[in-house]
Amino acid sequence: AQSVTQLDSHVSVSEGTPVLLRCNYSSSYSPSLFWYVQHPNKGLQLLLKYTSAATLVKGINGFEAEFKKSETSFHLTKPSAHMSDAAEYFCVVSESGTASKLTFGTGTRLQVTL
Amino acid sequence: NAGVTQTPKFQVLKTGQSMTLQCAQDMNHEYMSWYRQDPGMGLRLIHYSVGAGITDQGEVPNGYNVSRSTTEDFPLRLLSAAPSQTSVYFCASRDVGGTDTQYFGPGTRLTVL
Repeated sequence: AQSVTQLDSHVSVSEGTPVLLRCNYSSSYSPSLFWYVQHPNKGLQLLLKYTSAATLVKGINGFEAEFKKSETSFHLTKPSAHMSDAAEYFCVVSESGTASKLTFGTGTRLQVTL
Repeated sequence: NAGVTQTPKFQVLKTGQSMTLQCAQDMNHEYMSWYRQDPGMGLRLIHYSVGAGITDQGEVPNGYNVSRSTTEDFPLRLLSAAPSQTSVYFCASRDVGGTDTQYFGPGTRLTVL
């Protein structure tokens, strides 16, 4: 069975400061991991994904995430927050190499203040 | 290339009414799925399909039916709407075996009174 835990339901940062959104996962097999972003009243957009290649994954809009197997973590970071980053972020796990179901975390709402 | 499209965008139903949420994709993906999104619960899988003629239940299938007669279309039917089905519904298609990326539609906001 697979699961994902997003450790913070809400994160607030000032514009220009670093962003850290935390995600831990559990999977019986070698996982694929994803981060999605959802802006208010919009659909979900893929930020980045890990599929057993490089452990440091770069995504769109300056975001990146590092896969750490020993810590079962896949935290999302960005060096400098922008007001447009305010959104909800979802960490997602699936078992790679199969048409397996995706399991979503409960989401982290990122607030960016001036 | 429209990606994943959903209709309608908004819908209000009365308890006991039935309706169908439409979903279509033009990326020739075999894998499609329906999710519901509720506050504080992330997205939960309702039903999914790995190809035309093949469907299976997800995490929260009760009260919903699906069928997959073509690769492009994957409608979700509410048989007898209940207030507990008030939610935002997302359809998705997934490029399994390729990039393994899942693409989401814009969502349908459903209110059941």
